[in-house]
Amino acid sequence: NAGVTQTPKFQVLKTGQSMTLQCAQDMNHEYMSWYRQDPGMGLRLIHYSVGAGITDQGEVPNGYNVSRSTTEDFPLRLLSAAPSQTSVYFCASNDPGQGAYNEQFFGPGTRLTVL
Amino acid sequence: AQSVSQHNHHVILSEAASLELGCNYSYGGTVNLFWYVQYPGQHLQLLLKYFSGDPLVKGIKGFEAEFIKSKFSFNLRKPSVQWSDTAEYFCAVNAYGQNFVFGPGTRLSVLP
Repeated sequence: NAGVTQTPKFQVLKTGQSMTLQCAQDMNHEYMSWYRQDPGMGLRLIHYSVGAGITDQGEVPNGYNVSRSTTEDFPLRLLSAAPSQTSVYFCASNDPGQGAYNEQFFGPGTRLTVL
Repeated sequence: AQSVSQHNHHVILSEAASLELGCNYSYGGTVNLFWYVQYPGQHLQLLLKYFSGDPLVKGIKGFEAEFIKSKFSFNLRKPSVQWSDTAEYFCAVNAYGQNFVFGPGTRLSVLP
């Protein structure tokens, strides 16, 4: 049971480049989320998904796209990278169907630098 | 909309000192409350969580938190910190069917 995995761990992009951050979970969780973490701002929700084929915007969605074709995978796409997207990105999953055991599990993060 | 505030941006303590980190949230309904810890260079891990019942919740590594509904607070405590507790601590709120909302985090530095 690997939990939540993310690739790559580190990435450097030039302004205008595009890339996809990968996220996968093997816990059969319905909910998956992408956050960005910036100093002093905690975690801010970018996009989330409540199940395969269903996605929605979070607090800071601009410049990012997501899709959810399977329960396991939830990639985050940067369409045209900007320096303001320099951040640490975390993917998380949880299963709200478990009620009292609803808890988010986090991946190891991707540290992205946009030059 | 829900929001979470944490009282301190950076706390510096000596080993064996007692710790209390403040967390307040704004939401009028029933919420689930969490404290996560992030050790340097690592991802967030759950310390403890509250759903219902006894408002004093015990978590891993000697941490505990108290839910005070009238104050919309969920403060984290530890009687005696260790150098290995140096980390960033995040309070989070989740209402049923809604997204998690995280506070800005409190950085704890424990001096040996």
